[in-house]
Amino acid sequence: DTEVTQTPKHLVMGMTNKKSLKCEQHMGHRAMYWYKQKAKKPPELMFVYSYEKLSINESVPSRFSPECPNSSLLNLHLHALQPEDSALYLCASSPGPGLTYEQYFGPGTRLTVT
Amino acid sequence: GENVEQHPSTLSVQEGDSAVIKCTYSDSASNYFPWYKQELGKGPQLIIDIRSNVGEKKDQRIAVTLNKTAKHFSLHITETQPEDSAVYFCAASRRTSGTYKYIFGTGTRLKVLA
Repeated sequence: DTEVTQTPKHLVMGMTNKKSLKCEQHMGHRAMYWYKQKAKKPPELMFVYSYEKLSINESVPSRFSPECPNSSLLNLHLHALQPEDSALYLCASSPGPGLTYEQYFGPGTRLTVT
Repeated sequence: GENVEQHPSTLSVQEGDSAVIKCTYSDSASNYFPWYKQELGKGPQLIIDIRSNVGEKKDQRIAVTLNKTAKHFSLHITETQPEDSAVYFCAASRRTSGTYKYIFGTGTRLKVLA
């Protein structure tokens, strides 16, 4: 089973709202990722968690706040977003450092900021 | 910085014909090269990958070749079917900060005409 689940599937939020995206995997993977994908573009890496610790932050604005409560769960907290933050937000997981390299993506959350 | 060029950006083929998508990477330390298929409204799906110690890998109708000297790798799809229509992304990867960070190509929109 290589399933990564993401909720919600769609989210519409105002610029003053606070919302969270959730990602879950039960494959025992120890690395989890957040990507942002704009229309007709490749995914852009935002954050990487390795063994529940933040290992990469690609200079993402502080209005995006990641959290990894346990090895199966990854959240992305959103606050005071801008319309240009509207995009597909993808979560991915991989077995972990020193293990195999492949990343498995979830279906994404389509975010619209109004 | 590191980048991955991908060509062509769009490709139309007749059902049953072959399709070839090419990528060139810049970082000579890259050692893992996955290919993803992304259908409309879905997350990227890993379809095949190759590591730098291998020149070619095949899985049924799809194959990937790697030329490390030229820093080129290619995806080959034979006997194309309408369900192969999607956007395909290549990526090059190396170990960074304890994990594997992907640099994605810009994507190829493949259309298989019935």
